[in-house]
Amino acid sequence: ETGVTQSPTHLIKTRGQQVTLRCSSQSGHNTVSWYQQALGQGPQFIFQYYREEENGRGNFPPRFSGLQFPNYSSELNVNALELDDSALYLCASSIRDSGETQYFGPGTRLLVL
Amino acid sequence: QKEVEQDPGPLSVPEGAIVSLNCTYSNSAFQYFMWYRQYSRKGPELLMYTYSSGNKEDGRFTAQVDKSSKYISLFIRDSQPSDSATYLCAMSEGYSGYSTLTFGKGTMLLVSP
Repeated sequence: ETGVTQSPTHLIKTRGQQVTLRCSSQSGHNTVSWYQQALGQGPQFIFQYYREEENGRGNFPPRFSGLQFPNYSSELNVNALELDDSALYLCASSIRDSGETQYFGPGTRLLVL
Repeated sequence: QKEVEQDPGPLSVPEGAIVSLNCTYSNSAFQYFMWYRQYSRKGPELLMYTYSSGNKEDGRFTAQVDKSSKYISLFIRDSQPSDSATYLCAMSEGYSGYSTLTFGKGTMLLVSP
């Protein structure tokens, strides 16, 4: 069984740029959630995708957007990067209606200069 | 008041000690409770998953949920240096169109040989 994978592992961008992060769900999982984890903090929910549609959103501005593809892989896009966007971005996959168990990938560490 | 409170530590113990990690929460709608372990610069790994109140044991790990007190605990018996990591508690209201996890800040545990 293949776990959740994310790419790239690390990324350095400058303020104002745009970034795309990628996630492949665990085999058989149809729901993907994205979280932002700042240094020393717990992960914060960004949004969730199910059947290629956004299914819920946390307290993040519209410049954070996403996609889910038919094979359940997903992208997180962030426009107009700000210094505070520097964080570990985590993708978690799950099976809808099977409880609340979410399995996380290793994350992408983004540094905005 | 944050929805989920967790002492960030660090908590330092000698090898073989019993470790107690705790979280309190304010949202009485939380039904699902999880503990994740996160090694430095890695994604969270699911350790324990509990629905509603009660105890659950898995090897050296025991999770307890007291919904009346809005208090959850994770006990680690015979702690090992390899248990050194940050432990995150996470909670969810359950499926209501979509599910999201609300995390504590995490407690850093250091087990010395």
